[in-house]
Amino acid sequence: DAGVIQSPRHEVTEMGQEVTLRCKPISGHDYLFWYRQTMMRGLELLIYFNNNVPIDDSGMPEDRFSAKMPNASFSTLKIQPSEPRDSAVYFCASSPLPKGNTIYFGEGSWLTVV
Amino acid sequence: AQSVSQHNHHVILSEAASLELGCNYSYGGTVNLFWYVQYPGQHLQLLLKYFSGDPLVKGIKGFEAEFIKSKFSFNLRKPSVQWSDTAEYFCAVNAHNAGNMLTFGGGTRLMVKP
Repeated sequence: DAGVIQSPRHEVTEMGQEVTLRCKPISGHDYLFWYRQTMMRGLELLIYFNNNVPIDDSGMPEDRFSAKMPNASFSTLKIQPSEPRDSAVYFCASSPLPKGNTIYFGEGSWLTVV
Repeated sequence: AQSVSQHNHHVILSEAASLELGCNYSYGGTVNLFWYVQYPGQHLQLLLKYFSGDPLVKGIKGFEAEFIKSKFSFNLRKPSVQWSDTAEYFCAVNAHNAGNMLTFGGGTRLMVKP
C-alpha cells in the first residue's frame, strides 16, 4: 500500500511568496495531521482533521498559515506570505482510528524561505 | 495539558554500548505511549507503542521500552547499539481525553560511533 504522500519534497522560496504543501493520506484513514519540525521547537502539531473537518488548529502559528481538506484524499497547508522563520520540515500524517492509534507519517516537505 | 520531556538532547555511544533514552510525561490519566525514530534525511517511523497490558514493550530492531506508571516514564532501551541506529528518537504521548492528538517530546539525537 502507498503510504502518506507529500509534495513537494523540497522547496526553496523567497520571503513574501505563497507556499502550498500538499498531502495525500493513506486511503481509509479518517484522521489527517500536519506537523512542523524545527531545530528550536522540535516536532509540533499544527492542525488535525477528522473526516475532512478541522478539529484542532490551536497549533497553527499565525494567520499566515491555513490548512484545508476538501476531500478524504487530499489536504493542503498554505503559508501566505512566507517568512524565513517558516523554514522547517512539514510532515503530514494520517491515522485510521482515534484514541492514539498508530500514526503514519509522510516523508516530509523541506521548506526553505530565503 | 499533556507534555513530554526527553532530558537527553544528544547522546553519543560506541557500537555495542547499551542505550537508554529517557521519556517522562505529565498527565494523570490513561495514556498511549509511542517511540518514533527518524533516520537522517528520512521520515518518522514507529519503533514501538504501548496501549495496555505488559508494560515492557518490544519493538523493531531490538528496541524495547518500559512503561512505569508511578514514574510517568516510558524509557527506550537497546542492549547493544549499532552504527545504523544513528538517528533522532521521539517519544510521544496520547492522552485518552485529548482526541487523537499526539504530543511529542523534543527528540534525542543519537550518534553511534563505529
